[in-house]
Amino acid sequence: LAKTTQPISMDSYEGQEVNITCSHNNIATNDYITWYQQFPSQGPRFIIQGYKTKVTNEVASLFIPADRKSSTLSLPRVSLSDTAVYYCLVGRVGSNYQLIWGAGTKLIIKP
Amino acid sequence: DAGVTQSPTHLIKTRGQQVTLRCSPKSGHDTVSWYQQALGQGPQFIFQYYEEEERQRGNFPDRFSGHQFPNYSSELNVNALLLGDSALYLCASSLEGQGDYEQYFGPGTRLTVT
Repeated sequence: LAKTTQPISMDSYEGQEVNITCSHNNIATNDYITWYQQFPSQGPRFIIQGYKTKVTNEVASLFIPADRKSSTLSLPRVSLSDTAVYYCLVGRVGSNYQLIWGAGTKLIIKP
Repeated sequence: DAGVTQSPTHLIKTRGQQVTLRCSPKSGHDTVSWYQQALGQGPQFIFQYYEEEERQRGNFPDRFSGHQFPNYSSELNVNALLLGDSALYLCASSLEGQGDYEQYFGPGTRLTVT
């Protein structure tokens, strides 16, 4: 089971682009990378998932280098409502998978 | 389309008691996972149910047990409650064989053991 490392906390300002990097040196060939967002006293919410290169959706982009040992979640033009904890997860698709959740990155957006 | 629902929202129990938490998965989902989240920490995987059977379990004692019903809803039971069981219990649902493992989480049940 791949373990991930991400910064404990980050600060930024409204309107800025925020990049959160996650390290996963032991990622396996069949592992995907997934990011979740969690607000206080709520369940995590799926943001984005990828396997390699770049993935983009309406809320974020995910950059994955060729060696896949790290990934970067990019949040464009953040607002105060993006203040949350962001989790990076690595795991296999299919049955009997088990994801390991770290403490995540607490992102604080300032006005 | 209803998302994942959990009940109750909050619960206060006394040490040694037993508790049952309930979860209804997102419509169309057939797999339910349970997590325990202590304050300031990430969710810790308890177990996962598929086709009414527990098929994966995290590092939790046998005091934690569960059940999945034919309609895919699920229960988490915790016996002999300890103070350390105080946490947010999250239920997540997904669809087996969909090709990815995006999980949809419920709002959680906040359990306080006194």
